[in-house]
Amino acid sequence: SYVMTQPPSVSVSPGQTATITCSGDKLGDKYVSWYQQRPGQSPILVIYQDLRRPSGIPQRFSASNSGNTATLTISGTQAVDEADYFCLVWDSGTAWVFGGGTTLNVL
Amino acid sequence: QVQLQESGPGLVKTSQTLSLICNVSGVSITSDGYYWTWIRRPAGKGLEWVGRMYPTGIPNYSPSLESRVAISLDTSKNQFSLKLTSVTAADTGAYYCARWVQLRQACDVWGQGTTVIVSS
Repeated sequence: SYVMTQPPSVSVSPGQTATITCSGDKLGDKYVSWYQQRPGQSPILVIYQDLRRPSGIPQRFSASNSGNTATLTISGTQAVDEADYFCLVWDSGTAWVFGGGTTLNVL
Repeated sequence: QVQLQESGPGLVKTSQTLSLICNVSGVSITSDGYYWTWIRRPAGKGLEWVGRMYPTGIPNYSPSLESRVAISLDTSKNQFSLKLTSVTAADTGAYYCARWVQLRQACDVWGQGTTVIVSS
C-alpha cells in the first residue's frame, strides 16, 4: 500500500517561514492536496492540485510537488496558522491516502 | 453556499454497527463531478479516508475497512450515509463527511464532524 511520510511536528517563530513536507514514492506524479485542521475544528482545504489555492486562503500559503516530495510553505507565519496539516493523494493501488499529519507550532 | 452536516449516535456499543448520515444543502448530490466522501480521525491519530461514492457508480472503500463499511446515497433526501459494522474501540473518533471535487482532485467542503465513542 502507498505510504506518505510527514514530520510529526514543525516549530516556527511568528513572522518566519514554515515548511512542511510530505514524502512518498514518485509523489510528483500524483496530485497532492493539503488540509489544515485547527483543534476542535473540521479540516479545510488550503492547497489543491499540488499548488493551487482555493479562494479565501491567504497568499502566504504556497506549495510545490516534485520527485518524491511535496512541500507546503507558509510565509510570514501567524499564530492563527497553528494547526495540524495533512497531505492527501490518490493512489491506484490504495485509493486515497493521507499523510500522517504535521503539527505546526508557532512559538 | 454548499453545506454538509453529519448526524448520528455519539455512542455505539462494541461489536454493533455505527450509522451516520450526512445531510447536503446547496448542491444536489446527483450533480456531475462530485464524489460524496467519509473521512475519520481516530482518537489520537491522523485523518483516515473511509470511502466515497459517485451517484452513478460503485463506492470505493479504504482497503483496511472495506469488509466492514458501506456508503449509500439517498437522492430523495439529498443525503448520504455511512455504516460501519463490528465496531471496536479503535473506531472511536471524529467522523467527517466531505465533497470530493474531481476537477480539483481534492475535498473542498467538509462537515463540522461528529464524534463517535465505541464502548461496551
